[in-house]
Amino acid sequence: AQKITQTQPGMFVQEKEAVTLDCTYDTSDPSYGLFWYKQPSSGEMIFLIYQGSYDQQNATEGRYSLNFQKARKSANLVISASQLGDSAMYFCAMRDIRFQKLVFGTGTRLLVSP
Amino acid sequence: SQTIHQWPATLVQPVGSPLSLECTVEGTSNPNLYWYRQAAGRGLQLLFYSVGIGQISSEVPQNLSASRPQDRQFILSSKKLLLSDSGFYLCAWSETRGQMNTEAFFGQGTRLTVV
Repeated sequence: AQKITQTQPGMFVQEKEAVTLDCTYDTSDPSYGLFWYKQPSSGEMIFLIYQGSYDQQNATEGRYSLNFQKARKSANLVISASQLGDSAMYFCAMRDIRFQKLVFGTGTRLLVSP
Repeated sequence: SQTIHQWPATLVQPVGSPLSLECTVEGTSNPNLYWYRQAAGRGLQLLFYSVGIGQISSEVPQNLSASRPQDRQFILSSKKLLLSDSGFYLCAWSETRGQMNTEAFFGQGTRLTVV
């Protein structure tokens, strides 16, 4: 069965610093995709970054990068140069290619301070 | 372009009343469709997902059900609501099997309060 684990319920970071949000996953499917979403207080879900299980390089999207360590089954999100607007809930998710099931972790609440 | 519509945005229902939440997607065909529930300050719990018309996978046994009467329509229902059904319900869609590098797109959500 698929499982996503986010062990950090909350993280604090100062503005302009980098922060790493942890995510580990478990699946028996060799083909899967990993996603990170941001959820501000408004409730909307904003897609940030994607990593495929066969991708050789770590994904990057602007200030977001994904530290993908397949052997350890981890897909940590790195946010560089944090901004006040980065304060939000962050969710890691995984979708398997066989059943197309998309499961989410419990989330990490990030607070960026001035 | 593709869009997803979910309504209503907020709903207050008494215990024991029925529920029907509707989600429709435009601009794509044969999408994967998902229903999630999010308790206050918590993660997204996958309730149901569908990879095609009439194909519904249930993840959590409870008093909710889902149907997909049309290709781009996904309905979440209950015959009798419980207090524990309160939460933020999110509908999402993604491209179909074989296209792994596409994210899921979410509706604006329905905030359900059972009183």
